[in-house]
Parts: sequence; C-alpha cells; structure tokens
Amino acid sequence: DAEITQSPRHKITETGRQVTLACHQTWNHNNMFWYRQDLGHGLRLIHYSYGVHDTNKGEVSDGYSVSRSNTEDLPLTLESAASSQTSVYFCASSGSGGLGETQYFGPGTRLLVL
Amino acid sequence: AQRVTQPEKLLSVFKGAPVELKCNYSYSGSPELFWYVQYSRQRLQLLLRHISRESIKGFTADLNKGETSFHLKKPFAQEEDSAMYYCALGGSNYKLTFGKGTLLTVNP
Repeated sequence: DAEITQSPRHKITETGRQVTLACHQTWNHNNMFWYRQDLGHGLRLIHYSYGVHDTNKGEVSDGYSVSRSNTEDLPLTLESAASSQTSVYFCASSGSGGLGETQYFGPGTRLLVL
Repeated sequence: AQRVTQPEKLLSVFKGAPVELKCNYSYSGSPELFWYVQYSRQRLQLLLRHISRESIKGFTADLNKGETSFHLKKPFAQEEDSAMYYCALGGSNYKLTFGKGTLLTVNP
C-alpha cells in the first residue's frame, strides 16, 4: 500500500544546530508540503513543492529550507535551530488531478530545540 | 487572501447529543472545502470534502456560499468522535489553508 513516512519521529536538538527532517512518500504524488502544528495556530505551511527541482515558500518559511531531487522525498532542513522552532512537523502529499485533491499526511515529527 | 476561521477552540458535548463545529472562510474564487480530523497523537486524515457531498462516520457538512460557511454536523455524538477537527480551504494551486482547529470532547 502507498504511504507517507517521516523520520525521525522524535528529535531533541540544541540551539544553533542544523537539523534535517525526512519525508518519503510512495504515492507517486507530484505535490508535497511541510507544515508545523502549534497550539493556537493550527497548521501553518512552511514550504511546498509541485515536482522535482521545484520548491516554494509558505507562510512561515524563515529559517527552513527544502530541496526536491526526486518525486518521493522532500527533506526539511532547519539551518540553525531556534527554540521557536520547537513544534510538531507534518509532511503531506497530494496528486495533481484537479478539484478536491486530498492531502495525505505523514505521522509527524516532534522536534524539541533546547 | 484565503482565510479560514474556526471560532471555537474547544467544544464539549455529551454522548448522544448533536454536535456542530463551525467553519467560515474567506476566498474570492470557487472554494474547495475539507474537514480533517486528528485523533490523539495520530496523523491528520481527511474526514470529508464538500465536492464529494458524502457522509463519513455520521458527519455531514454543507457548503453555504452565501454565508461562506462549511459547518460540520453530527446528530448523535459518540465518545470516539473526540478529536481535533480542522477545516481547510483549497484553491487552484493544491495548497490548503487550515483553520486553527476545534478540539471536540464527547463526554460519556
């Protein structure tokens, strides 16, 4: 069965370190998204991609970067982790069929920045 | 600009009571509306979308363009419905704008 996975599931890091969160999907979807989930803010879009070598900034992209070298993976990098980036991160993917395309979510990564 | 408002952060009902989770949106084009649900410590999953006009787990939602609303309703709440519910608005670019979510608690 097709799925979307994230690793690690939990991560503790220190301020200033570079951190990369992995996202892998086997749906063969063109569209991939990264969100962060915080109490009182819901889900906010960090970065997204419509295909290989395509990346775009979302509403809270500062301090984050992504790259898309193949269809299956969209790793999220925190260049220099800050305590404000402590959050739960969700990756999602969707097809490009048109109206009503569902986004399928990964299980999430809980990141704590000390 | 796209915006989704879920006015209730918390909603508590008793088992068997009707439940309505409110969602209002702002969008200049033709909206695509979704409800996603997140059970405790699980991933988000699609509950329903307006384009399908379906009922999932007893939940329904009707798009009211005049009131720009997409409220989620269920006539008889069950304890297993306790979860975080997110309303989401999609446009022509496959991105979703999420509301801040409503935490539903169904008490026995």
